[in-house]
Amino acid sequence: DAGVIQSPRHEVTEMGQEVTLRCKPISGHNSLFWYRQTMMRGLELLIYFNNNVPIDDSGMPEDRFSAKMPNASFSTLKIQPSEPRDSAVYFCASSFYRGGETQYFGPGTRLLVL
Amino acid sequence: DQQVKQNSPSLSVQEGRISILNCDYTNSMFDYFLWYKKYPAEGPTFLISISSIKDKNEDGRFTVFLNKSAKHLSLHIVPSQPGDSAVYFCAASASTDTDKLIFGTGTRLQVFP
Repeated sequence: DAGVIQSPRHEVTEMGQEVTLRCKPISGHNSLFWYRQTMMRGLELLIYFNNNVPIDDSGMPEDRFSAKMPNASFSTLKIQPSEPRDSAVYFCASSFYRGGETQYFGPGTRLLVL
Repeated sequence: DQQVKQNSPSLSVQEGRISILNCDYTNSMFDYFLWYKKYPAEGPTFLISISSIKDKNEDGRFTVFLNKSAKHLSLHIVPSQPGDSAVYFCAASASTDTDKLIFGTGTRLQVFP
């Protein structure tokens, strides 16, 4: 039974480049979350979707960040242009929305922007 | 503004003894609290939760205590084992938006022999 799948696992890029992170949620889950982990702020919720519709994007840091969920089995988080302060671990999580359900996390993408 | 705070970035405990991890929150609307555990190079995994209608929830070696008046919760691990060495995140949600979890900054627990 596959869990949440994220790709790539590691990404090194230069400042100004576009970065695209990908996520495949657990089959049957209808809520998907993007988080960013940093030492200073811990796990920050960036955006979440319910039934492929963005519900809350208040955590998206700025216009350089965008997220899409074109279907129930795929989501992307894009950073354009990337900056060194975007370096962090980005996690995708999914759950079956019934209120308060456990979120299942992917292994994360470690992003380094030089 | 950090609505969920874990003021101890790290904790070191001897194997067999009790580990106590603390968490404070500021939003009085929070009514459901969770602990997640994270090993290096892996995503966080759910450990234990508690609803605001309770003040204690126990699952094996893990117990979570909730003090609503103090807006404080704690995770007790008894006895601590080396395999418990990980980063522990406290999280909270409100019934008005149960899908949205607010996480703390995490506490790194090291259990030494």
